[in-house]
Amino acid sequence: NAGVMQNPRHLVRRRGQEARLRCSPMKGHSHVYWYRQLPEEGLKFMVYLQKENIIDESGMPKERFSAEFPKEGPSILRIQQVVRGDSAAYFCASSPAVQGATRGEQFFGPGTRLTVL
Amino acid sequence: SQQGEEDPQALSIQEGENATMNCSYKTSINNLQWYRQNSGRGLVHLILIRSNEREKHSGRLRVTLDTSKKSSSLLITASRAADTASYFCATKKYSDDYKLSFGAGTTVTVRA
Repeated sequence: NAGVMQNPRHLVRRRGQEARLRCSPMKGHSHVYWYRQLPEEGLKFMVYLQKENIIDESGMPKERFSAEFPKEGPSILRIQQVVRGDSAAYFCASSPAVQGATRGEQFFGPGTRLTVL
Repeated sequence: SQQGEEDPQALSIQEGENATMNCSYKTSINNLQWYRQNSGRGLVHLILIRSNEREKHSGRLRVTLDTSKKSSSLLITASRAADTASYFCATKKYSDDYKLSFGAGTTVTVRA
């Protein structure tokens, strides 16, 4: 049973370009979470999605950032017009429905390290 | 604001010694979890302790939770070089159904 998969693992963008980060949850998991980790810091919650629904995006910047989790395919975190301050590691986590989500058991992917030049 | 704060920020020990790190948090929680992150890698879930539990063991790991002091500790016994990593505590609050709030982590270096 494959774990949470994220791609690409490393992404380099120039200022003003768009970054698309993909996350495939564990098989059978319908809840996806995105976290951002700045250098030397812990993870900060960004957004929580279920299939086709954004449940909580309170941790996501209001501009340039968007996330989706379509009925088919991976979850996408999209950053438009990237700036240097967006350079960070972006982690996706998933959990099974109901009990897993409420207990807080989340399984993390390896992360995408975004570097903005 | 950050819910969890780890202490110390960094820890260096000799192989075979024990490593202890602490986590303090601010609000009531449903559970507290510890994760390990090797340099440049993702997070590995180590152990979850619920708010009604006081102590939990998993292999060489021992976690305690004191809800009256809003603190937890992680003890790694008989450390190995492979234990070199950053360790994070993460809390899940009652009011939140799903969010994990992470501290800034403790970086542990185990010297051979």
